[in-house]
Amino acid sequence: AQTVTQSQPEMSVQEAETVTLSCTYDTSESDYYLFWYKQPPSRQMILVIRQEAYKQQNATENRFSVNFQKAAKSFSLKISDSQLGDAAMYFCAYEAAGNKLTFGGGTRVLVKP
Amino acid sequence: SAVISQKPSRDICQRGTSLTIQCQVDSQVTMMFWYRQQPGQSLTLIATANQGSEATYESGFVIDKFPISRPNLTFSTLTVSNMSPEDSSIYLCSVSKEALNTEAFFGQGTRLTVV
Repeated sequence: AQTVTQSQPEMSVQEAETVTLSCTYDTSESDYYLFWYKQPPSRQMILVIRQEAYKQQNATENRFSVNFQKAAKSFSLKISDSQLGDAAMYFCAYEAAGNKLTFGGGTRVLVKP
Repeated sequence: SAVISQKPSRDICQRGTSLTIQCQVDSQVTMMFWYRQQPGQSLTLIATANQGSEATYESGFVIDKFPISRPNLTFSTLTVSNMSPEDSSIYLCSVSKEALNTEAFFGQGTRLTVV
């Protein structure tokens, strides 16, 4: 079974600074997809960024970028120029066949003004 | 994109009773899922709601406890049966428009408290 691990329960960052969230996963599949979701206090899950495993190029979405290391099964998220609205829980997720998502335990991001 | 309406948004229920949660999508979707998020925890998949047939349950979840219906491509219900305080969680509906590698859209969840 696939597992997703986020080793940082909480991360704090100063506004306008950069923070990196860690994620590792375990799978025997060669074709899969990885996601970072954000969950603010409203509970709404919002897709931040996604990465196809067959692509070597790291995904980027405005201030959000990933460092995807397939051999190491690592998928970290970098938030640049942090804003107060970035404060939320961030979940790393793995998807293989069937669209079923396996989520990591989450990392709470606190943004200090 | 897909807009999901999940009802109720929250409820407080007595133990031993059942609650049915509805998930309505504004367009036809291929895949519909139900997740549970226990307090302070991550999301765990309960089951895949299959149109016109029985849901596919993940390990640790059974139909008698979490019956699911999906009568069409835009609607599904999850019932939490014979509730106990351990069922207090957020229950989220999720949909995907295609199979594999598409964005999963989530409802805002139902916060259930069992007393």
